Amino acid sequence: DAKTTQPTSMDCAEGRAANLPCNHSTISGNEYVYWYRQIHSQGPQYIIHGLKNNETNEMASLIITEDRKSSTLILPHATLRDTAVYYCIAWAYGQNFVFGPGTRLSVLP
Amino acid sequence: SAVISQKPSRDICQRGTSLTIQCQVDSQVTMMFWYRQQPGQSLTLIATANQGSEATYESGFVIDKFPISRPNLTFSTLTVSNMSPEDSSIYLCSVPGQNEKLFFGSGTQLSVL
Repeated sequence: DAKTTQPTSMDCAEGRAANLPCNHSTISGNEYVYWYRQIHSQGPQYIIHGLKNNETNEMASLIITEDRKSSTLILPHATLRDTAVYYCIAWAYGQNFVFGPGTRLSVLP
Repeated sequence: SAVISQKPSRDICQRGTSLTIQCQVDSQVTMMFWYRQQPGQSLTLIATANQGSEATYESGFVIDKFPISRPNLTFSTLTVSNMSPEDSSIYLCSVPGQNEKLFFGSGTQLSVL
C-alpha cells in the first residue's frame, strides 16, 4: 500500500500557483519524497524529489515540513498543460515505487 | 534521463490470444520494472526484471500469465497471455536513472475484446 495520502482532486486557475499537498506521516528517515505526474494515459513524468530540504527546479518547488510528515508541491504559474494526475511517493533505495491514487489537478482558464 | 521506447503503443486483441510488449532503453540498466494501469486506476507493479535472473513478481501476478524476458541490459519483453477483457489496461515499463529517478516509457494501451 502507498505510504502517502493526497486529495482526490483540485482545481487551479490558469496563471496562479497550484499547491498540491501530500501526507506521509509514517515516512522513514531514509525515504525520499517523490512527485510524478501523468498526463492522460502517457507514462508518468518525473517532477521533483527531496529528502529533508526544500527543493526547486525548472518545473516546480517541493516544500517538506520539518517533521517530514507532509509536503507540498508548488507549480508557481499553472498552465492548462499542467492538467494531470499528480502522484506523491515515499521511496528508499531497494524499495519499489508504490503509486497511490494521486491528485487530479484541473487547471481552469 | 533514460530514453525508453515501448512497442506497440496500442493494440486491440481478441480474447484468448497473447500479446508481447517490448521495452528498449538507450542505456544499460540492471533493473527494469513492468507496471499495469487499469482504466481509471493508479499504477500497479507487476514485476521486476533483472538481467540474468528470473523476474520477481508482485502479489497477484504470476509468470504463466505475464512471462517476462530480459535477454540483455537494454531490452525486456512482457507477454500478456491468454487475454481476457479484464486485461485491458495500459502497460508501462520503467527503469531507474541517475539521481534515484525512475523513468517511464510511454506505455502500451491494450484493449481486449
